[in-house]
Amino acid sequence: GQSLEQPSEVTAVEGAIVQINCTYQTSGFYGLSWYQQHDGGAPTFLSYNALDGLEETGRFSSFLSRSDSYGYLLLQELQMKDSASYFCAVRVVSGGYQKVTFGTGTKLQVIP
Amino acid sequence: DAGVTQSPTHLIKTRGQQVTLRCSPKSGHDTVSWYQQALGQGPQFIFQYYEEEERQRGNFPDRFSGHQFPNYSSELNVNALLLGDSALYLCASSLGTSEKLFFGSGTQLSVL
Repeated sequence: GQSLEQPSEVTAVEGAIVQINCTYQTSGFYGLSWYQQHDGGAPTFLSYNALDGLEETGRFSSFLSRSDSYGYLLLQELQMKDSASYFCAVRVVSGGYQKVTFGTGTKLQVIP
Repeated sequence: DAGVTQSPTHLIKTRGQQVTLRCSPKSGHDTVSWYQQALGQGPQFIFQYYEEEERQRGNFPDRFSGHQFPNYSSELNVNALLLGDSALYLCASSLGTSEKLFFGSGTQLSVL
């Protein structure tokens, strides 16, 4: 099976930078995704890493180290609207079909 | 371009009853995955449908079943409802094994 670990809660100040870590254990690993979910809303895709290194998309960056089974999401210039839950998710492909397994989520609170 | 739509948005059932939830994928998408999300938890993978067949399944009992129609829309059926089935049920669509999942807003199921 798959298991993922991420901190349950993080608090950061508006305008600051925050890093949300994720460690995983799985077989058939293809890549690591990050999703954002506001209270009462649907998860929305933020980023995906299949190879080691950093991927940057605007204020958000995501990093992957396959050898360490570790990744992180970096949010810069935090805004109040970034308060949400953030999920890492491993993408596993077997038999030609994929399965995306989510972690338990990190609730980010941005304070003034 | 309509995104992923789910119906109904809310549903109240009693123990032992059966329920059917519906999902229309994003235009152009052919793969539908279903997730169960308990309050404060990450989405848990139930199963995935592609070409009208169940291709991947998570750790859910046979009470959970599904179907995909030729137009790629999908249904999730849950029989013999238990109190523990109360959760947000999310449908996610993708194009084949694309890493990017698009989620609907979910169906909030309450079992009394």
